[in-house]
Amino acid sequence: AQSVTQLDSQVPVFEEAPVELRCNYSSSVSVYLFWYVQYPNQGLQLLLKYLSGSTLVESINGFEAEFNKSQTSFHLRKPSVHISDTAEYFCAVSPMNRDDKIIFGKGTRLHILP
Amino acid sequence: GAGVSQTPSNKVTEKGKYVELRCDPISGHTALYWYRQSLGQGPEFLIYFQGTGAADDSGLPNDRFFAVRPEGSVSTLKIQRTERGDSAVYLCASSERGSYNEQFFGPGTRLTVL
Repeated sequence: AQSVTQLDSQVPVFEEAPVELRCNYSSSVSVYLFWYVQYPNQGLQLLLKYLSGSTLVESINGFEAEFNKSQTSFHLRKPSVHISDTAEYFCAVSPMNRDDKIIFGKGTRLHILP
Repeated sequence: GAGVSQTPSNKVTEKGKYVELRCDPISGHTALYWYRQSLGQGPEFLIYFQGTGAADDSGLPNDRFFAVRPEGSVSTLKIQRTERGDSAVYLCASSERGSYNEQFFGPGTRLTVL
């Protein structure tokens, strides 16, 4: 079985400041790792994913996440946030090498302060 | 191409009534998933179809919930004798076989049971 922990339910940060959203997971098998984003009044969108290979993965809008196997973490970072990054961010995992359900964390609401 | 679509976008019903929620996946996607997202929570898995058959229905909360996918494309989630606790956003996702389980989500159906 898998589980995902997002310790911070809300993260307020000033515009143009850096941010880190924390994610830890537990699994008895190897997993794919995902970050999904849900903008206000919109559906879930895949932000980035770790499948294998390089442990640092990047999105097209400046976010990056690093897979740390020893710490079972997949924290999301951005060096400078914009007001448009206001959203809820979900860390998620699914077992590797097969179609299967995704296990989501409870989400972190990123609140950008002007 | 078209994404995952879900109808209706909103459904208000009375306690004890029967409801059907529809999901139209991306054309060619063989896997289809249903999740439920309660307020302040991440999506929780309900059921997963591979083609026409339910590959995993372990997330269905009780026997009032049932889902079908008779032709391997459109799926319907059926809820009998609705209860107030069933109020949530019901999400559908689909994925292509061999896609590293990258699931594409629909906009959801917001179900409110009065």
